[in-house]
Amino acid sequence: AQSVAQPEDQVNVAEGNPLTVKCTYSVSGNPYLFWYVQYPNRGLQFLLKYITGDNLVKGSYGFEAEFNKSQTSFHLKKPSALVSDSALYFCAGGGSTLGRLYFGRGTQLTVWP
Amino acid sequence: GAVVSQHPSRVICKSGTSVKIECRSLDFQATTMFWYRQFPKQSLMLMATSNEGSKATYEQGVEKDKFLINHASLTLSTLTVTSAHPEDSSFYICSANRGGGGTEAFFGQGTRLTVV
Repeated sequence: AQSVAQPEDQVNVAEGNPLTVKCTYSVSGNPYLFWYVQYPNRGLQFLLKYITGDNLVKGSYGFEAEFNKSQTSFHLKKPSALVSDSALYFCAGGGSTLGRLYFGRGTQLTVWP
Repeated sequence: GAVVSQHPSRVICKSGTSVKIECRSLDFQATTMFWYRQFPKQSLMLMATSNEGSKATYEQGVEKDKFLINHASLTLSTLTVTSAHPEDSSFYICSANRGGGGTEAFFGQGTRLTVV
């Protein structure tokens, strides 16, 4: 079965510190991996994606993620967190041409001043 | 980036009535759209895959007679919650891909449904 896991329900960091939000995947074939951010009562906003190519992917708002095939991981990172980064983050993956995505359960990121 | 518009953003209805939610891809054609349901502080649960010109594919456990999906054109899919009950209250989100796998999904703003 295909799945995406986010092992942490919550991540708390101080503003200015680096942040990492973890994601692992189990997708057949070559995975397509995504990170989305959700603010309260809003839809999901796309942050970045990995399809092929460089394992380090840079996305919106200074976020980046590293695809690690051996560890089946796709952790989201940012060198210096901002209070405005506080939101719910979803990792998603797929492996078919149908566009169906499997979502992790979400990680609530809180950045305190 | 591509835009997916979902309407209404918020709706309150009485038990027993039906509610229709629209999902439109504004600047691209989407042969496939997806409908998700999100419970408070939980992840997105895929309800069904909406296919233009054919029947929707429902996930296990989702009542197809209760959640009617119509994908009448390449830019519009609708989800109708029939005979709504308070337990149907939730946040419903649609998404569409511009192309096949590998292209990011674009999400609507979501619809907060409250059944009273």
